[in-house]
Amino acid sequence: GENVEQHPSTLSVQEGDSAVIKCTYSDSASNYFPWYKQELGKGPQLIIDIRSNVGEKKDQRIAVTLNKTAKHFSLHITETQPEDSAVYFCAAAPYGTASKLTFGTGTRLQVTL
Amino acid sequence: GAVVSQHPSWVICKSGTSVKIECRSLDFQATTMFWYRQFPKQSLMLMATSNEGSKATYEQGVEKDKFLINHASLTLSTLTVTSAHPEDSSFYICSAIGQLTDTQYFGPGTRLTVL
Repeated sequence: GENVEQHPSTLSVQEGDSAVIKCTYSDSASNYFPWYKQELGKGPQLIIDIRSNVGEKKDQRIAVTLNKTAKHFSLHITETQPEDSAVYFCAAAPYGTASKLTFGTGTRLQVTL
Repeated sequence: GAVVSQHPSWVICKSGTSVKIECRSLDFQATTMFWYRQFPKQSLMLMATSNEGSKATYEQGVEKDKFLINHASLTLSTLTVTSAHPEDSSFYICSAIGQLTDTQYFGPGTRLTVL
């Protein structure tokens, strides 16, 4: 089965700096990679996702890159703000079959003033 | 769009009782719903996958007789924790997939505390 590793487990950045979270996956059949943001006591919220036919996707301050050869993908947040503080999870799944997601272990991001 | 709700948001019950958690897709029809549990400071662990009108598929190690799942309509799935014990205390989260997309949208979660 799929195995997703996520690093770092915690990340502290100053407001305005960039934050990068990296994930690796094991199953070459995976081709759908979403990122979720989870605030304390709430459910995960989809913030961006990428399909395997795309190498990079950007949405305002958030971007995701995918390297299928190396089986890794990354989340980039620029100009971080205090409200970006949360736990971020990456995930992987085969696309097109409504398959279950395999989640990474999460990264606790803290943006300090 | 793509809103998923859960009810209740939190529940406290006595050991030995059963608790039902509802998951609803508010603005789309959910062909597939997933149930997860999450322990503090841990990732989401998939418990089961349910498709409307059919039996749920449980992950290895999840007791199907203890965690009863019913997906009676395209907008509602329920998880019933039967004969709850303190070790069942956790954060339970559902997600749903619509007919035209593979994107999973998550509910806000339900905090279960068993005394």
